[in-house]
Amino acid sequence: QAVLTQPSSLSASRGASASLTCTLRSGINVGTYRIYWYQQKPGSPPQYLLRDKSDSGDQRASGVPSRFSGSKDASANAGILLISGLQSEDEADYYCMVWHNGAVVFGGGTKLTVL
Amino acid sequence: QVQLQESGPGLVKPSGTLSLTCVVSGGSITRSNWWSWVRQPPGKGLEWIGEIGHSGGTNYNPSLKSRVTISADGSKNQFSLRLNSVTAADTAVYYCVRINFETYGAYAPLDSWGQGTLVTVSS
Repeated sequence: QAVLTQPSSLSASRGASASLTCTLRSGINVGTYRIYWYQQKPGSPPQYLLRDKSDSGDQRASGVPSRFSGSKDASANAGILLISGLQSEDEADYYCMVWHNGAVVFGGGTKLTVL
Repeated sequence: QVQLQESGPGLVKPSGTLSLTCVVSGGSITRSNWWSWVRQPPGKGLEWIGEIGHSGGTNYNPSLKSRVTISADGSKNQFSLRLNSVTAADTAVYYCVRINFETYGAYAPLDSWGQGTLVTVSS
């Protein structure tokens, strides 16, 4: 079973909100991990967006709009990337990432379509 | 602002060795950050290959460890990837990336990426 599981695709309407999930493998507690999110558009390298919110506040990379936010759902053992006020430019692939046993692990990615 | 640029052959024969170099500008690789390689097969997701630290220490993806070597040349401010015994499954876009421990501390994000270079394994 993969360390991180993401749904392969998600569709949402322009102006609405989209919630992208990154579920950790059973036996791995999301509470002990920092979850990072990346956006990748066709033909471009991934771009670091943010990490899940912590006690030290917002963790968005420089230039990332406040429409993007990260959190965790302990009951689902998952990280969540929330994009509010969807814009057509948000259509992209989104990857979550964690450090697991000293190695970087990526989720399989979610293709977000903005309708 | 740091910039990374990959270079190397775009075509490698099966069973051969893939060799890529990443030149870093706007920051020294001998400071406190680490430097990494990530690959992405066409139409697929991201796979972490490994990393090298500012002091030369390395860590590799266990699934590739037996075939991978990452090295660095501080005098040229560049780091390199060698992947041995390649097959068609190694065909991918290869990215060099900064792991920004200096800003973010432990378990840092991969926050600066090169544009990537496509390497095809074919005879």
